[in-house]
Amino acid sequence: QAGLTQPPAVSKGLRQTATLTCTGNSNNVGNEGATWLQQHQGHPPKVLSFRDNNRPSGISERFSTTRSGSTTSLTITGLQPEDEADYYCAAWDSTLRAWVFGAGTKLTVL
Amino acid sequence: QVELVESGGGVVQPGGSLRLSCVASGFIFSDYAMHWLRQASGKGLEWVAIIWHDGSERYYADSVKGRFSISRDNSKNTLYLQMSSLRVEDTGVYYCATERHSDAFDMWGQGTMVTVSS
Repeated sequence: QAGLTQPPAVSKGLRQTATLTCTGNSNNVGNEGATWLQQHQGHPPKVLSFRDNNRPSGISERFSTTRSGSTTSLTITGLQPEDEADYYCAAWDSTLRAWVFGAGTKLTVL
Repeated sequence: QVELVESGGGVVQPGGSLRLSCVASGFIFSDYAMHWLRQASGKGLEWVAIIWHDGSERYYADSVKGRFSISRDNSKNTLYLQMSSLRVEDTGVYYCATERHSDAFDMWGQGTMVTVSS
């Protein structure tokens, strides 16, 4: 099962804005949207956004998502040290009948 | 409070079997579809399987199809993953996670470690 494509690493400065991308195809991201998750070392992941910018309660408004075709982007504004983590996108593939994940992007806050 | 607790991990030889459990509390388990996911050390997340809230449908990643079986007992608020013909590459932390109304991976357990090694 081919995964979604994410850049391996992004580095940005404190209080800057980071945009992380995730590209799939018309059977997954382009069809159903994507879920974004954040994972700090040694902890289970946490959902930042359900499909198409539906943010769970308790998640900061600094996290937002957009989608254009089969590419989804997670934007994090006002970067804080605690935003340094691994970020994953995931989408349901209607053809494979399976969830597919990106390999993750490691965000470093300088 | 809401809690998912995985158990059943351990060390097993290649070709062996293991059954993982995930006990849910603090929410109506039977309202939620459930997932198993895994993560090898230092690697990314990999989705393993999903079972519908009533057990009526189940889907698997290609990497485990035919070897793993997901099931649930709503009367016991428990999710299972029966793993057989285990391979070295099945080694990792296994997590259970919830899904409701297409909001997937909303709640997670702390994970249970599976090591496949001779």
